[in-house]
Amino acid sequence: AQTVTQSQPEMSVQEAETVTLSCTYDTSESDYYLFWYKQPPSRQMILVIRQEAYKQQNATENRFSVNFQKAAKSFSLKISDSQLGDAAMYFCAYRSGDFGNEKLTFGTGTRLTIIP
Amino acid sequence: GAVVSQHPSWVICKSGTSVKIECRSLDFQATTMFWYRQFPKQSLMLMATSNEGSKATYEQGVEKDKFLINHASLTLSTLTVTSAHPEDSSFYICSVARNDGSPLHFGNGTRLTVT
Repeated sequence: AQTVTQSQPEMSVQEAETVTLSCTYDTSESDYYLFWYKQPPSRQMILVIRQEAYKQQNATENRFSVNFQKAAKSFSLKISDSQLGDAAMYFCAYRSGDFGNEKLTFGTGTRLTIIP
Repeated sequence: GAVVSQHPSWVICKSGTSVKIECRSLDFQATTMFWYRQFPKQSLMLMATSNEGSKATYEQGVEKDKFLINHASLTLSTLTVTSAHPEDSSFYICSVARNDGSPLHFGNGTRLTVT
């Protein structure tokens, strides 16, 4: 079974600074997807960024980028120019690449606080 | 616009009663939907995979007789919490999958409080 580990229960960053959230995972599969989701107080799950395991290039979405290290099974999220609206719970998630097995396995989450 | 509609957004019920939560796929036909539960300050834990036209697949430790799942059409899955107890109070959230590797779409969740 796949597992996802987020070792930082809480992180804080000064507004406009950069912060990196850590995520490691364990799998025996070669084809899979990794995601970072943001969950604000409204509890809506918002997709931040997605990475396909077969792609060597790290995904980027505006101020959000990942450092995907497949051999190390590491998938960290970097948030640049942090904004107050970035404050939320962030969950790392794994999804198999197998057709018909689209369920997500989540890490325990990291609560990000933005300091004005 | 929203891809997944989940209702109700919150519900309070008395212990011993049953509560039904609906999850609708608005933009596409979904053969598979997922039901997650999230306790306060915890992560999302998969409860079951809802398969259209067949029985749901439950995760280990989830009581299938307590959490009834019906996926009778390609756009609707329901989760019924039967004989609810205070320990069932939680946040329940559904998600819908396309079979193309695209990210799951989540409903807005249902906050259930059992008194």
